[in-house]
Amino acid sequence: KNQVEQSPQSLIILEGKNCTLQCNYTVSPFSNLRWYKQDTGRGPVSLTIMTFSENTKSNGRYTATLDADTKQSSLHITASQLSDSASYICVVGGSWGKLQFGAGTQVVVTP
Amino acid sequence: DTGVSQNPRHKITKRGQNVTFRCDPISEHNRLYWYRQTLGQGPEFLTYFQNEAQLEKSRLLSDRFSAERPKGSFSTLEIQRTEQGDSAMYLCASSDVGSPLHFGNGTRLTVT
Repeated sequence: KNQVEQSPQSLIILEGKNCTLQCNYTVSPFSNLRWYKQDTGRGPVSLTIMTFSENTKSNGRYTATLDADTKQSSLHITASQLSDSASYICVVGGSWGKLQFGAGTQVVVTP
Repeated sequence: DTGVSQNPRHKITKRGQNVTFRCDPISEHNRLYWYRQTLGQGPEFLTYFQNEAQLEKSRLLSDRFSAERPKGSFSTLEIQRTEQGDSAMYLCASSDVGSPLHFGNGTRLTVT
């Protein structure tokens, strides 16, 4: 069973609208949580990285939250743009340095 | 520096042939990783180098797979006697201590 579960698997949103992606994990011990954006046919690009002591981190229109007690994270996209269409991958780092990748949420932004 | 570079971008090969991929990491990064990604899934860890030393290999890395990083700079991933199940995107990433992974754009392998 994957230790990093993402939901929804995919979603379609209208340009300009907001959306929130979820990531639940069971990785323990926990070191950090990262969100990556992966455009089709490209490698993932880092959006945010949070340690267990951080609750929120922003990168432009992307805001990630972390609740280390419930082992949940979310990625909020504000005022979506067509260029936000991509797969968003949640990656959890264990204290031993190993990274566990989620399967990603495929976001499609339509005009 | 233009980031992590991978070559070729695409490779089509017949079952049973050998293939080799190359990764040039960001020059100041001493850590290099290989991942495999299939459609609709996140990357799966294959192997990890710190400088020229291969420190970890996944159970996914069968005897047909071998990776090298001579002199701690570029790395190669070779797959011998390819099978159709090897078809995937092969991603390389590099990092330094405390930095996030920087991925290349991958090599897409199709085994026919």
